[in-house]
Amino acid sequence: GENVEQHPSTLSVQEGDSAVIKCTYSDSASNYFPWYKQELGKRPQLIIDIRSNVGEKKDQRIAVTLNKTAKHFSLHITETQPEDSAVYFCAASRKLNAGGTSYGKLTFGQGTILTVHP
Amino acid sequence: DAGVIQSPRHEVTEMGQEVTLRCKPISGHNSLFWYRQTMMRGLELLIYFNNNVPIDDSGMPEDRFSAKMPNASFSTLKIQPSEPRDSAVYFCASSDMRRQGSSYEQYFGPGTRLTVT
Repeated sequence: GENVEQHPSTLSVQEGDSAVIKCTYSDSASNYFPWYKQELGKRPQLIIDIRSNVGEKKDQRIAVTLNKTAKHFSLHITETQPEDSAVYFCAASRKLNAGGTSYGKLTFGQGTILTVHP
Repeated sequence: DAGVIQSPRHEVTEMGQEVTLRCKPISGHNSLFWYRQTMMRGLELLIYFNNNVPIDDSGMPEDRFSAKMPNASFSTLKIQPSEPRDSAVYFCASSDMRRQGSSYEQYFGPGTRLTVT
C-alpha cells in the first residue's frame, strides 16, 4: 500500500519568513495530493491540493509543488503569520483511470508542527 | 449544510465499558472514514465505507473495535471492551465520490475525545 513520509516533524520560523514542508510517497499510481491544516483542538481542514497533471499550484501565500519522477511534493508558505501556527498534514490518494472506481482513501503523513513566532 | 456531525464530543469511561461513537456524514456524500488521532501515532485510518459498504478495515486495531453503517446518513464505531490505550480523538470524515472529477476533499467532523480510565 501507499506510504507517505513527511519532514520535518517540527518547524519554527519568525513571522514574515517562509516555511517549507516536504513529503514523499511510495505508490507511483497516486495522483492526488492534498494538504490539511489542523489548529489546536480543531479538526483537519483542506488548505490546498494538487493533481498529478499539474506541477505547481498557488493560492495567495501558499503553494504546493509536485515532482512525480522523484515522488515528492512540498508545501510552501510565504510571509508567515502567527495564525499559520498549526499542524500540517500531507496526504496521497490513488485514483483509478476514468471509468474506474475510487473511494477517496487518503494516506496521511505524520504531520508537521509549525510555529510562527511574532 | 451542518457539516459532518459527531457525538458525543467528549466521552470519559472506565476500562472494560462499551463505548459507541456516532457520525452523521454530509448529506449526499457516499464515502465515510473513521480515523484515530494520538500524539504517538498521528492520524490513523481505521476503516472506511463506500455506499454504506465497508471497503477496508485493515486499520482496525483489534477485534474489540467494530464499525457499522446501516444507512447513508449514519455510522457507528464501537469499542468493547474499552482499554486505557484506546484514549484518543476519533474523527469521522466524509467525501463525495459519486462523480468522476469530483473533489477528493474529505470533510472532517469535530471529533470525539475519548478518555478511558
